[in-house]
Amino acid sequence: GDSVTQTEGQVTVSESKSLIINCTYSATSIGYPNLFWYVRYPGEGLQLLLKVITAGQKGSSRGFEATYNKEATSFHLQKASVQESDSAVYYCALSPNSAGNKLTFGIGTRVLVRP
Amino acid sequence: EAAVTQSPRNKVAVTGGKVTLSCNQTNNHNNMYWYRQDTGHGLRLIHYSYGAGSTEKGDIPDGYKASRPSQENFSLILELATPSQTSVYFCASGELGDQDTQYFGPGTRLLVL
Repeated sequence: GDSVTQTEGQVTVSESKSLIINCTYSATSIGYPNLFWYVRYPGEGLQLLLKVITAGQKGSSRGFEATYNKEATSFHLQKASVQESDSAVYYCALSPNSAGNKLTFGIGTRVLVRP
Repeated sequence: EAAVTQSPRNKVAVTGGKVTLSCNQTNNHNNMYWYRQDTGHGLRLIHYSYGAGSTEKGDIPDGYKASRPSQENFSLILELATPSQTSVYFCASGELGDQDTQYFGPGTRLLVL
């Protein structure tokens, strides 16, 4: 079946420094999957951060970027300069490029930004 | 105003008891989902629904039932709760034409003693 592997555990980074969270995927469906980053802020539900449905394209939101690399089957999330408000749990996810609307999630990466 | 709400937000239950988790969405989406999230796992799909009256098994349906009485409401039912069902449960809604984007509720933390 489909699977998503991302940076495990917690990442601690100082404010204004750069951040990268690694995500690689394996999809068994025909065609390329849709790729997502979701974020969960403390006390809230998951919310979509960005998505990319076309291989080779880049998505961006709130200063975060992720590029759909079909050769490396990767979708790493990056931000050049983090803020304390970026402290959250980040989830990489995919859905098959077919009818079904089902998401497969990575385990989540907790990001702690220190002031 | 939140588009996907869940109740209760926290629940303590006893082993063997019945638990019902409720989800309401105002997005007018056809699809709704129930996930659980445990340490060391991503969100795992328990049940989902394509519309009122429909329920489908997800990846880990054992021990759970689901009910979709209306477009807006989707419940997850634990008929005989067990400690292994202690988890955080998330409900979500989505529309097939929205490239599989899902919109999540805030979660319900369930502790089964």
